[in-house]
Amino acid sequence: RKEVEQDPGPFNVPEGATVAFNCTYSNSASQSFFWYRQDCRKEPKLLMSVYSSGNEDGRFTAQLNRASQYISLLIRDSKLSDSATYLCVVNWGFGNEKLTFGTGTRLTIIP
Amino acid sequence: DAGVIQSPRHEVTEMGQEVTLRCKPISGHDYLFWYRQTMMRGLELLIYFNNNVPIDDSGMPEDRFSAKMPNASFSTLKIQPSEPRDSAVYFCASSSDTEAFFGQGTRLTVV
Repeated sequence: RKEVEQDPGPFNVPEGATVAFNCTYSNSASQSFFWYRQDCRKEPKLLMSVYSSGNEDGRFTAQLNRASQYISLLIRDSKLSDSATYLCVVNWGFGNEKLTFGTGTRLTIIP
Repeated sequence: DAGVIQSPRHEVTEMGQEVTLRCKPISGHDYLFWYRQTMMRGLELLIYFNNNVPIDDSGMPEDRFSAKMPNASFSTLKIQPSEPRDSAVYFCASSSDTEAFFGQGTRLTVV
């Protein structure tokens, strides 16, 4: 079983729709969780951290379910500019060491 | 700061040749990571350093790969001899706390 698993997609979603991704992780002792975004032929960049109580940043909402070992990302009112690959990232330690990435979920927003 | 700087951006080499990838992390960051990204396997952690010391190299595929960090502002990833299956995008990232910042990557093609 992979340490971090994501549905690779692709997700093709009409503009303005709501889309959600899930990600599961295998290590129950994982401490930190993140969503990164990667545009085509670019480097990954941090989108948002994921906190135990759930957190929101504009149109983006991240949730963590420790009991079931999954995290989710919800995008509301999707824009064309949201088209990208979204990477689920888990850290085993208390710091930033050994970030483990999922293979990513590809999202395309359709006009 | 200019961010994480990697060189070269593109490298095409013949099988059997030595390849050296270079990385300059963001000043003040004490963690440095080397990742490899392919379509099949996604983003894989090869090795990471803390304060110039290699902490975990379990992701290094085999003895043909080696990485060094002689000082806080420079790291190299060397492949000797290179093989076609090493073709990938190699990313360097640095961090001081929770967010990892990536360089633009080196696209390596081994023919």
